[in-house]
This record gives sequence, C-alpha cells and structure tokens, in this order.
Amino acid sequence: QVQLQQWGAGLLKPSETLSLTCAVYGGSFSDYYWTWIRQPPGKGLEWIAEINHRGSTNYNPSLKSRVTISLDTSKNQFSLRLSSVTAADTAVYYCARGEEVAGHWYFDLWGRGTLVTVSS
Amino acid sequence: QSVLTQPPSVSGAPGQRVTISCTGSSSNIGAGYDAHWYQQLPGTAPKLLMYGNSNRPSGVPDRFSGSKSGISASLAITGLQAEDEADYYCQSYDSSLSAYVFGTGTKVTVL
Repeated sequence: QVQLQQWGAGLLKPSETLSLTCAVYGGSFSDYYWTWIRQPPGKGLEWIAEINHRGSTNYNPSLKSRVTISLDTSKNQFSLRLSSVTAADTAVYYCARGEEVAGHWYFDLWGRGTLVTVSS
Repeated sequence: QSVLTQPPSVSGAPGQRVTISCTGSSSNIGAGYDAHWYQQLPGTAPKLLMYGNSNRPSGVPDRFSGSKSGISASLAITGLQAEDEADYYCQSYDSSLSAYVFGTGTKVTVL
C-alpha cells in the first residue's frame, strides 16, 4: 500500500525559507504528479505546485516567485521550498499524489500534513 | 483564491439525503474540466471521495454520488450517517489561473 510520509520544520520566523520533504513508500514514483497543497487554519485548500518523475514542474502563479519544488528519484522523495515566508504562509502543508483519468487530474493519496507556523 | 463556490454548511437528520453544490465558471467546470470531491474529517487530511465528476474510488460507499452540469457540480449523500459529518471540498482545474482550484468547502452536520 502506497504511503506518503512528510516532514520539515514547523516553526519559522518571517523572511525565512520553508522546507518540507515527502517520501513515497510502497509504490511507483512514475506516472504521477507529486504535489504540495496547503490549508491555513480554519480555511480552505490551496494548490501550490507539482512535479513528475521527469522533473517537469507546474506552479500556482500566485506563489510561483517564491516556490521551488524538486525531487530525488533515488530516494523516491520530493521537496518544497517557499522563500520569504510571512504569517500568511501559516498553514498545514500536505503532500499528495496527482492521478489522471482522461486528462483530468485529481489527488488520490495524501500525506498526514505538517503544520508550519510563521511567527516572530 | 477559491473560484469554486460551495454553501458553507448543510445539515440533515440520519437517513436523509443532502446535496452540496460547487459552482464554477467558464474557465473551470464550465470549460469541461472535471470536478472531484474530497472529504476531510476533523483533524485529518482530505480523502478523495469522488473523481471524474461521478466515479467513486474503491472503498467509498455508494451512498455518495456525484454529477456535473454546465458550470456546476454536485455531491449527494443519501442515507446520511453520523460518520459523514465532515468538511467537503470540490476541486477542478482553472485555465485562466493555470492552476488546480478548490471549492470554498462545505461543513456537513448530522443532526
């Protein structure tokens, strides 16, 4: 059974860089887009970025200038970096697997989430 | 950046039927992009509930059904159960934003 396990720093100061990693266990790293999604406390979901096993990336334009997504295929891991964080970046960050049917993409597997708090 | 609008809350007694709407626009659902639905139980990660408008992943009870028409999609829960109390989100792709987008979320309460 495929599982996503994520980790990273949970408390940051304004202007620092958020860094999270997600490992894929028990399944193929290919044929999917590996994704980061966040959810501010008490609010809705926001898609951040995605990457496939070839390294092809897509970013949410609203965050693109501050976001880098990368992968390490030798470890079946992918990572997120978000620079110059502010309190508005406080959220639970989820890694997820993007699956496609007939050209339509959705997220069929999710990590447990990491709460990242930005506070001085 | 929620371009898909959902009612904030719906409620029903056990056994009843409730529906959740997800209204988009001509750049997302209305453009032909599928709607997908997620269930988020309190304190947990979202879980895929419906994909491709009306397809249930393995393990999702057939009490859940989905549909799409025009610029909107809907999720129906029949035979409402206490365990269905959760937040529900729709998701699609928006060509104007070049981004995957989620709905505003709906809290389902079982009375």
